[in-house]
Amino acid sequence: GAGVSQSPSNKVTEKGKDVELRCDPISGHTALYWYRQRLGQGLEFLIYFQGNSAPDKSGLPSDRFSAERTGESVSTLTIQRTQQEDSAVYLCASSLPGLGRAFFGQGTRLTVV
Amino acid sequence: QQQVKQSPQSLIVQKGGISIINCAYENTAFDYFPWYQQFPGKGPALLIAIRPDVSEKKEGRFTISFNKSAKQFSLHIMDSQPGDSATYFCAASKRAGNMLTFGGGTRLMVKP
Repeated sequence: GAGVSQSPSNKVTEKGKDVELRCDPISGHTALYWYRQRLGQGLEFLIYFQGNSAPDKSGLPSDRFSAERTGESVSTLTIQRTQQEDSAVYLCASSLPGLGRAFFGQGTRLTVV
Repeated sequence: QQQVKQSPQSLIVQKGGISIINCAYENTAFDYFPWYQQFPGKGPALLIAIRPDVSEKKEGRFTISFNKSAKQFSLHIMDSQPGDSATYFCAASKRAGNMLTFGGGTRLMVKP
């Protein structure tokens, strides 16, 4: 596709359920990032993938959060046993290596009720 | 640890005025400083970016000023328009990779 694609665009889930969010990066972009944005707040770094290197997971807020990426393609962010404080927009971005110019998807708005 | 500090949190400017948003960073390894613009319900989009080897970069009505010694950079929006009303984020990334660290954001409102 032409841009970063995220799905679903909206997700409402019950507290305690697991959710999986998907990101399709721009073809050829080896770097992929996940950020969390709470309502009216800034972007909180979660995890960063760069090619075949070990991902930088330093931003994951708890062990309920995990992410995977297959090669240089799709990434999934999984949140287990969701809590109300997990409600936020989860943004994915991708970029070419060494340039720092990241292209963002529209985000997935997660609401935990 | 907030490595990029952004101010103000919100800004109201009259149409035609100059909007100024400031950012300060701590890590001297940062060597790429982009600004992102975000409209409600959308993901952030790159607006303009600068590297530390220049002190200023201008693209249309948008200018980044960079002060390496002070570890500060700012975005100036000249002749601000209502369509510029959005949230603006500064960011920084390191030489060794391109993971972006974002500032807290500035919500700009340009009044007609």
